[in-house]
Amino acid sequence: AQSVAQPEDQVNVAEGNPLTVKCTYSVSGNPYLFWYVQYPNRGLQFLLKYITGDNLVKGSYGFEAEFNKSQTSFHLKKPSALVSDSALYFCAVRDMNRDDKIIFGKGTRLHILP
Amino acid sequence: DVKVTQSSRYLVKRTGEKVFLECVQDMDHENMFWYRQDPGLGLRLIYFSYDVKMKEKGDIPEGYSVSREKKERFSLILESASTNQTSMYLCATNPAERTYNEQFFGPGTRLTVL
Repeated sequence: AQSVAQPEDQVNVAEGNPLTVKCTYSVSGNPYLFWYVQYPNRGLQFLLKYITGDNLVKGSYGFEAEFNKSQTSFHLKKPSALVSDSALYFCAVRDMNRDDKIIFGKGTRLHILP
Repeated sequence: DVKVTQSSRYLVKRTGEKVFLECVQDMDHENMFWYRQDPGLGLRLIYFSYDVKMKEKGDIPEGYSVSREKKERFSLILESASTNQTSMYLCATNPAERTYNEQFFGPGTRLTVL
């Protein structure tokens, strides 16, 4: 069965420092991987996705993520954090060999400290 | 841009009431989904639909039903609301022709059942 894990409930980073939000996955076939962000009292917004090709994927708002097949990880990164990056972040995976359902992680709350 | 709207941002109902949550999308997408979001549990899939008058159970369908009479509208129904259905409900949509497409989310409905 496919699954996705976000090992940290909360991550605190000082403004201007690099940030990483971790995600690991498990699928039987090749994965499609996604990151979404949720601001307070809002729906989820798509940030970026990995389908195939270059392992480093660039997305919205200066975020990027690195696909690592050997470690089954897809960590979200940003070189310099902004206070406005404070939000709830969700990693998600879809198994290529299954239907269109996406499995979401439990979310990581990112706090950027001024 | 894809627009996904949900009928209410906040809703308060009493135990035993029948509750309708409406979702409308304007991009002619085939696939529509209903999730509930609870702290520490992430997003859990309730029901989804790949076409008009078609529905499939997700991971937690108990206590819910859905209706898709028109392509653009997907309704979630709580036949007899209970306090454990207090949650944030999110509707999402994506086109069917490419399985790697990200989902587009509505703003969410925060339902409180008293």
